[in-house]
Amino acid sequence: QQPVQSPQAVILREGEDAVINCSSSKALYSVHWYRQKHGEAPVFLMILLKGGEQKGHEKISASFNEKKQQSSLYLTASQLSYSGTYFCGTEINLIKAAGNKLTFGGGTRVLVKP
Amino acid sequence: DAGVTQSPTHLIKTRGQQVTLRCSPKSGHDTVSWYQQALGQGPQFIFQYYEEEERQRGNFPDRFSGHQFPNYSSELNVNALLLGDSALYLCASSLRGQDEQYFGPGTRLTVT
Repeated sequence: QQPVQSPQAVILREGEDAVINCSSSKALYSVHWYRQKHGEAPVFLMILLKGGEQKGHEKISASFNEKKQQSSLYLTASQLSYSGTYFCGTEINLIKAAGNKLTFGGGTRVLVKP
Repeated sequence: DAGVTQSPTHLIKTRGQQVTLRCSPKSGHDTVSWYQQALGQGPQFIFQYYEEEERQRGNFPDRFSGHQFPNYSSELNVNALLLGDSALYLCASSLRGQDEQYFGPGTRLTVT
């Protein structure tokens, strides 16, 4: 079952903040965040792992609530380049050796205006 | 450092035909995953290859098959194409034991 992202879309003025949420009904091993611009490949932003470890870009901020199986991505002091569609991909770690199999949400469209 | 590359960029096929898409992983990566992304939706996992074997598979019919070569590159084959197979096909590479996946630019397949 795919994770649920909210909101579906958000419009910001440059410099404003926004939060994108990703919720799963299943226990998660990790949450992966990507940004995709129109006609381009998804770009890796961050991974949040069960247990608190995070890997990703220094300028990106996110959290993972293991009790709620929910992750939030924080867009702070947004820039025009933040525009795009943000996807969360979740991984249910039954057998880690089996590798990554991500289930993606429907995406959150972000538009940052001057 | 070369990233993930895919070919071709665009492809137009007719219903019933077969298609082969190609992917070269990021340098140093040994695992390749394929995803299908329909317009306006998130990517859907098709399958993953490691050590030249299919390791995991998503909810896709047997018309979708793949292969991984000794140099870690991979192919995705789709037989008996349907109109609903029109989508962006993304390849993602990773290193076994590591969590990060990196996507290629994708192949846009149009079935008419």
